[in-house]
Amino acid sequence: RKEVEQDPGPFNVPEGATVAFNCTYSNSASQSFFWYRQDCRKEPKLLMSVYSSGNEDGRFTAQLNRASQYISLLIRDSKLSDSATYLCVVNPNTDKLIFGTGTRLQVFP
Amino acid sequence: GAVVSQHPSWVICKSGTSVKIECRSLDFQATTMFWYRQFPKQSLMLMATSNEGSKATYEQGVEKDKFLINHASLTLSTLTVTSAHPEDSSFYICSAEVWRESYNEQFFGPGTRLTVL
Repeated sequence: RKEVEQDPGPFNVPEGATVAFNCTYSNSASQSFFWYRQDCRKEPKLLMSVYSSGNEDGRFTAQLNRASQYISLLIRDSKLSDSATYLCVVNPNTDKLIFGTGTRLQVFP
Repeated sequence: GAVVSQHPSWVICKSGTSVKIECRSLDFQATTMFWYRQFPKQSLMLMATSNEGSKATYEQGVEKDKFLINHASLTLSTLTVTSAHPEDSSFYICSAEVWRESYNEQFFGPGTRLTVL
């Protein structure tokens, strides 16, 4: 089983739609969780950290379910500029980050 | 914010040559930097952890004699791909670690696209 698993997509959604991504992780001792965004042929950039209580940043909401070992990202009112690959990232209580393969989102007009 | 640069941004070389990639933290000091590799449509795979003033820690399956890492200062780590071959063609990305209150955040460089002919 992969340490971090994501549905690769692609998710094709119209502008204004709400879309949700899930991610599961295998190491129950993991402490830190993140969503990164990666545009084509670019480096990943931190979108948001994921806290146990859930957190929201504008149109983006992240949630963590430790019991089921999954993390979610909800994007409301999708914009064309949201088109990218979203990487689920887990820190298994070390310095290292473990990246999922990413979920590709394509928002169309 | 923390800015990380990489140089070169892309390189094309002949098989058998060596290529050096630089990773710099521009506005902060980084005792720990990381080197990743990403093949098309795959996730970032950690190659090694680079610690200032000491030997790098390589991940399983990564040849330390092929991928030489030097972290001689708090703002610079270098990755040298020795005797590169076409299968080494990939997107190499470095990151530098910054400690926050409850977690460590990694800031990524813009990546270096290596093509070995």
